[in-house]
Amino acid sequence: EIVLTQSPGTLSLSPGERATLSCRASQSVNGNYLAWYQQKPGQAPRLLMYGASSRATGIPDRFSGSGSGTDFTLTISRLEPEDFAVYYCQQYGSTPRTFGQGTKVEIK
Amino acid sequence: QVQLQQSGPGLVKPWQTLSLTCAISGDSVSSDSATWNWIRQSPSRGLEWLGRTYYRSKWYNDYTTSVKSRITITPDTSKNQFSLQLNSVTPEDTAIYYCARRGATGPLDYWGQGALVTVSS
Repeated sequence: EIVLTQSPGTLSLSPGERATLSCRASQSVNGNYLAWYQQKPGQAPRLLMYGASSRATGIPDRFSGSGSGTDFTLTISRLEPEDFAVYYCQQYGSTPRTFGQGTKVEIK
Repeated sequence: QVQLQQSGPGLVKPWQTLSLTCAISGDSVSSDSATWNWIRQSPSRGLEWLGRTYYRSKWYNDYTTSVKSRITITPDTSKNQFSLQLNSVTPEDTAIYYCARRGATGPLDYWGQGALVTVSS
């Protein structure tokens, strides 16, 4: 099973700042099948990125993803108030599908 | 627009069976490009993918190792829904349970609203 490790655990930033979130896999992710989700309290996760770098429908272009193999990054270029949430990475290149433990982006 | 509507009891006694249903609108459980998944979330385990069912000329299932001996995911084509059964539950199975679709692009693109299931006597 592929273990995904996200860092940092918490990111304290101000609106307008840049956020850089990391997701490291214990082994190479097949096909770079790596997704990012955003979750707000009381809500289901929402798909942001797939295939490491493709934005899901309706996701603003301040969100971008990069990486391959075992190292992946989600970047939010300028944080908006609605971006403060928890972010999870997930690999879907092999079974079982696995998630990272999450990075919380909080208001500084 | 795909929508997933979950239903099922919020309280289950230890050693009994947890049962949840996910009703699908806007897609078909028999789709040959989607898979239908159950995921749970708890403070101790985080987000945990439990398993999936999907149709590719016949029905297939995959389950995660940690619950493989206790889980069944079943499609119901007559009602366009799929169900989760988890047997012999313990308090460690207390979690928010989500159903979700894996679409043609691969990730989990549509999610149900989530259901808190508490295992307690």
